[in-house]
Amino acid sequence: EDQVTQSPEALRLQEGESSSLNCSYTVSGLRGLFWYRQDPGKGPEFLFTLYSAGEEKEKERLKATLTKKESFLHITAPKPEDSATYLCAVQENYGGATNKLIFGTGTLLAVQP
Amino acid sequence: DTGVSQDPRHKITKRGQNVTFRCDPISEHNRLYWYRQTLGQGPEFLTYFQNEAQLEKSRLLSDRFSAERPKGSFSTLEIQRTEQGDSAMYLCASREVRNGNTIYFGEGSWLTVV
Repeated sequence: EDQVTQSPEALRLQEGESSSLNCSYTVSGLRGLFWYRQDPGKGPEFLFTLYSAGEEKEKERLKATLTKKESFLHITAPKPEDSATYLCAVQENYGGATNKLIFGTGTLLAVQP
Repeated sequence: DTGVSQDPRHKITKRGQNVTFRCDPISEHNRLYWYRQTLGQGPEFLTYFQNEAQLEKSRLLSDRFSAERPKGSFSTLEIQRTEQGDSAMYLCASREVRNGNTIYFGEGSWLTVV
């Protein structure tokens, strides 16, 4: 059964203090690994899709990387507006049409000024 | 791109009542998903439509839940005889097959059963 585990569950950073969030996954065949940001009371906002080990993508202060077993979301010099829950999800490549996402429980990030 | 639209955003209902949520996907997105999310958890898959055909349903979708997507456009999710355990945020998402693999989510519909 596909599994996605995110760590830490919660992370508190000072503004400017860089860190990384981890997403480890177990899947038969990976079609894609997705990162979303979710603000309280809102739906997930798409950030990145990674497809193969070694791939990296960047957006402003965020950089996502992928290995065969895990993905990291690196946050460089975070600002208070980066505070949110960051969700990781995998999409299995089993040849079916659904391509649904299997989510982890998220990392709640709080950046203090 | 108007995004995925969901209505209502919030619903409070008494136990035993029926509720219906509506989702309007991004225009020309022929794949539509419903997810459920409770506090402190990630979204959990409920069901999937390709155009008007419902191709997959999760075990989470009990007989009290029904989803439709007439004419392959908007979708509705109905919960009959609501229970307190149904309290959650119901998320709709859509995906365009031709132009990438990204699944875009709406803002969600919060359900509170009292």
